[in-house]
Amino acid sequence: GDSVTQMEGPVTLSEEAFLTINCTYTATGYPSLFWYVQYPGEGLQLLLKATKADDKGSNKGFEATYRKETTSFHLEKGSVQVSDSAVYFCALSPSGQGFSFIFGKGTRLLVKP
Amino acid sequence: DGGITQSPKYLFRKEGQNVTLSCEQNLNHDAMYWYRQDPGQGLRLIYYSQIVNDFQKGDIAEGYSVSREKKESFPLTVTSAQKNPTAFYLCATQGWEETQYFGPGTRLLVL
Repeated sequence: GDSVTQMEGPVTLSEEAFLTINCTYTATGYPSLFWYVQYPGEGLQLLLKATKADDKGSNKGFEATYRKETTSFHLEKGSVQVSDSAVYFCALSPSGQGFSFIFGKGTRLLVKP
Repeated sequence: DGGITQSPKYLFRKEGQNVTLSCEQNLNHDAMYWYRQDPGQGLRLIYYSQIVNDFQKGDIAEGYSVSREKKESFPLTVTSAQKNPTAFYLCATQGWEETQYFGPGTRLLVL
C-alpha cells in the first residue's frame, strides 16, 4: 500500500543553520505531496504542497520539490530560526482518492540560539 | 472568521464514562476527519465523513463513534470500550482542493 517515510528525529540545529528533513514515499500513480508543521499543543498547519512532478512548494522560507524519479519530497530551509522549532509531518494524498491522506510519523526539529 | 473549532481544549474522562469531543467548521467543506495522535507518534485515522449522514471507519475505529447530522459538525464520542483513550485528538476538514485543514485539537486525559 501507499506509505510515507520520514527521517527520525529529533533534529537539533543552531540558529541560521541549513535544514533538510528527508521524506520519501511509496505510491502508485501521481499523488499530491504535503508538508505540515505542528507547534507544541496545537493542531497541524499546512506549510507547503506540490501536486505534480517537478513542482516546488514554498512558504516562509521553506521549500520542497516533488521528485518522482527518486520518490522524494525533502523539506529544506536555508537559515532556521528558534521559532521554527516544531514537529514537521510529510503527507501524501493518493492519486484519484481525494479524500484519503497518509501521514509520516513526524520529525521533531529543535533550533538552539 | 473562517475556521475549525474544537472543544473543549482539555477533557477528563472517568472510568466507564463516555465523553464527546466537538468539531465545528464554517469552511463549507464536505469532508471531515478525526485523528488520534499519541506522544511521539504520527496521526492515526479514527473515522471520516465525506458527506452529511454518511461516515466510514478508519484504521482505529474500535471504541469510538461519530455522527454527521450537519455539514458543519462532526462530533466524536469516546466510549467506555476504548480502554486507552489518553491522547491528542485532531479534527480536520477538506473541501474541493486536495488539502486537509486541522483544528487546534482536544487533549483527553483519564482520571
